[in-house]
Amino acid sequence: QKEVEQNSGPLSVPEGAIASLNCTYSDRVSQSFFWYRQYSGKSPELIMSIYSNGDKEDGRFTAQLNKASQYVSLLIRDSQPSDSATYLCAVNDGYNKLIFGAGTRLAVHP
Amino acid sequence: EPEVTQTPSHQVTQMGQEVILRCVPISNHLYFYWYRQILGQKVEFLVSFYNNEISEKSEIFDDQFSVERPDGSNFTLKIRSTKLEDSAMYFCASSEEADTGELFFGEGSRLTVL
Repeated sequence: QKEVEQNSGPLSVPEGAIASLNCTYSDRVSQSFFWYRQYSGKSPELIMSIYSNGDKEDGRFTAQLNKASQYVSLLIRDSQPSDSATYLCAVNDGYNKLIFGAGTRLAVHP
Repeated sequence: EPEVTQTPSHQVTQMGQEVILRCVPISNHLYFYWYRQILGQKVEFLVSFYNNEISEKSEIFDDQFSVERPDGSNFTLKIRSTKLEDSAMYFCASSEEADTGELFFGEGSRLTVL
């Protein structure tokens, strides 16, 4: 059974701080990794994808991938109250489907 | 901006009834998906669909479920003989390419089975 694990949180950070969200996955052959944001009662929205080891930056977001450690992370710089949401880590299992983690709830307080 | 649209936004049904959830994927996308999320739980894959046939389905997607693309724009999920445990948010998604995790999700259809 392929698994994606995340700390459920809540992760509470002050406005302007860096939020660090982590994810581990069980299937060593996984090749593509994604971070989705889900506001309460809403649908998942893709914010980052990463396919190679190392860092990938997009605005205030940085995704980090370490395939040897089977570890993906998301850093959010200059966190804003509007970033308060649940962040879902997802792994493509190679068969045209995503396996999602349970999500980490982020709370950014003013 | 193109989007995936779903109807209804909320459906309440009696146990044992059939429901049809409808989706209009983004027009130039060729790959369609249904996922569901039981309240407080993970988003779970149900089925993927391409070229008018199922390309992948999960263990959840048993004979109770079926999908169809009845015309050039709609993509439907039918749930026969609903059970209490089918109560969930059902998300339709679409993508331009296969084997991608870059999905565009609709706003979801909340199904409540009484």
